[in-house]
Amino acid sequence: ETGVTQTPRHLVMGMTNKKSLKCEQHLGHNAMYWYKQSAKKPLELMFVYNFKEQTENNSVPSRFSPECPNSSHLFLHLHTLQPEDSALYLCASSSTSGGATDTQYFGPGTRLTVL
Amino acid sequence: GDSVTQMEGPVTLSEEAFLTINCTYTATGYPSLFWYVQYPGEGLQLLLKATKADDKGSNKGFEATYRKETTSFHLEKGSVQVSDSAVYFCAQNSGGYQKVTFGIGTKLQVIP
Repeated sequence: ETGVTQTPRHLVMGMTNKKSLKCEQHLGHNAMYWYKQSAKKPLELMFVYNFKEQTENNSVPSRFSPECPNSSHLFLHLHTLQPEDSALYLCASSSTSGGATDTQYFGPGTRLTVL
Repeated sequence: GDSVTQMEGPVTLSEEAFLTINCTYTATGYPSLFWYVQYPGEGLQLLLKATKADDKGSNKGFEATYRKETTSFHLEKGSVQVSDSAVYFCAQNSGGYQKVTFGIGTKLQVIP
């Protein structure tokens, strides 16, 4: 596989469930990102990892818990979510060597619905 | 703080029409500017970028010029096709991998 892959593509869960989203990149990048995409809103950056170390947490509620075991894999663990958390969750990766010029490469996203 | 403003849309055009999607930004320093495109059911992918003032990014018939004096990076295409129907995101990076800011996205629908 090439590029950035995400599983599952669709997820429906109840508010009391626990689930995880998985992201894998095959591009040799060292930075990985989680974004939330909701209708009528700009993309919201949630978490950033660089060489497995979390470098950004944009005031995300603790019901979202990221994990980055290595530079190629990123997880988002979900528990006791709210209906307003329903959205498309996008994973991305990039190199960090180019500074402001680096391009981010996105996966296809996981469409999450919280009932 | 840093921000990107773009028209929300939707923008509906007939095939072969001229396209302009406006994008303006506010930033500290001199950001790199990007246009990403999201086709239905897919993630975002880079369409074009410009890294300094007066640079022109181009790809697949789309163009955008980095205008520092008007803090703008408008996307243009001379003749759109049905296959260009997608959501277009303007973005800026003001200085590092953590500092990318996206606009709200503009949905483009091209009808035959």
